[in-house]
Amino acid sequence: GAVVSQHPSWVICKSGTSVKIECRSLDFQATTMFWYRQFPKQSLMLMATSNEGSKATYEQGVEKDKFLINHASLTLSTLTVTSAHPEDSSFYICSARDLVEGLNSYNEQFFGPGTRLTVL
Amino acid sequence: GQNIDQPTEMTATEGAIVQINCTYQTSGFNGLFWYQQHAGEAPTFLSYNVLDGLEEKGRFSSFLSRSKGYSYLLLKELQMKDSASYLCAASDSNYQLIWGAGTKLIIKP
Repeated sequence: GAVVSQHPSWVICKSGTSVKIECRSLDFQATTMFWYRQFPKQSLMLMATSNEGSKATYEQGVEKDKFLINHASLTLSTLTVTSAHPEDSSFYICSARDLVEGLNSYNEQFFGPGTRLTVL
Repeated sequence: GQNIDQPTEMTATEGAIVQINCTYQTSGFNGLFWYQQHAGEAPTFLSYNVLDGLEEKGRFSSFLSRSKGYSYLLLKELQMKDSASYLCAASDSNYQLIWGAGTKLIIKP
């Protein structure tokens, strides 16, 4: 159980275009989803936290107008990178958490497989 | 502020034992996680400690000392497939994970 999928697994796009990444919890309801970015040889950097039905909370330095996050249902969150530029090329990883007792009594985050974005 | 420290890189020999240390400072504390991450892949959960002591799970064990703000991950009978980055993350008062930079473990034959 507790599987999280991401789509696409990799994407190459031209500078100035927008890219949408989907994150789905397949067998549980994710009340909270997290979006991370990871540059080569660096650790995970939390970009934003989103709770179903409410606006995402962005970390300092992350532009909310550039990285649009929607968490419209308990199983789906999307991250849209608008007007992408080469410096946005990175590995984007989502994770999901459910606070229902029994499934996730210690608030573990379940990670998706990641999306590698390359902006030309 | 909130901070996680762990070594950048460690090298060990196949079949041996290695201990990866992690110290943390957080606003509130709701547990310490260890994740394994192979290159180009997402992290996978290894262990969780919230009480002091040692949690053993097969070849991997994790230890926590809340009073010292210290944890370690112990890997026994090392295999080549254990070559990966090991991420330490502490859960703060808001249940948000504060991540360390990761320890790259290199296993030599």
